Amino acid sequence: DAKTTQPNSMESNEEEPVHLPCNHSTISGTDYIHWYRQLPSQGPEYVIHGLTSNVNNRMASLAIAEDRKSSTLILHRATLRDAAVYYCIRIQGAQKLVFGQGTRLTINP
Amino acid sequence: NAGVTQTPKFQVLKTGQSMTLQCAQDMNHEYMSWYRQDPGMGLRLIHYSVGAGITDQGEVPNGYNVSRSTTEDFPLRLLSAAPSQTSVYFCASRGTPFANTEAFFGQGTRLTVV
Repeated sequence: DAKTTQPNSMESNEEEPVHLPCNHSTISGTDYIHWYRQLPSQGPEYVIHGLTSNVNNRMASLAIAEDRKSSTLILHRATLRDAAVYYCIRIQGAQKLVFGQGTRLTINP
Repeated sequence: NAGVTQTPKFQVLKTGQSMTLQCAQDMNHEYMSWYRQDPGMGLRLIHYSVGAGITDQGEVPNGYNVSRSTTEDFPLRLLSAAPSQTSVYFCASRGTPFANTEAFFGQGTRLTVV
């Protein structure tokens, strides 16, 4: 099964870091890990992706375990606007984004 | 740059009616796909295309038809609408089918079948 495992929900406080975990124990060597988020009533939005090493961009950081069986999306300083459902996706082969249930992140002011 | 544009944003159909959901992208992307999202759930893949003239089925293709005559457009047709097709539909595009490219999503079409 190419789907990933994420907690259903997480909660954090504004201006604090958030670590969103994802398990993908059956990942194969050429599969990428992508993260998307979906704000209320909007389409999913790309956050970050990686293969083996840690990745950083203006939105977040992605830490990938050495065995690649898990990864963590890090929001360094959460804002209220970061409240969304976050999806960790393992790309199957060359074509398909397979979405799981995602993690609903709540940010407290 | 408009990205991925979906029309209409909202639609109500009667059971048995047919309609086409439109999706257009202006990024010259090869790969396009359609997803549906039911309340409280993640997205499920309906159909996808890796280029003009090439389409394939996703996870939940029954009741839907697609074609890809141009790079820009990827319409989704409901042949005979059923209440089970009430959902929010998202179109997405990627520059290539390969796993290291990000996807861009439209804002969605909320469809209700009564």
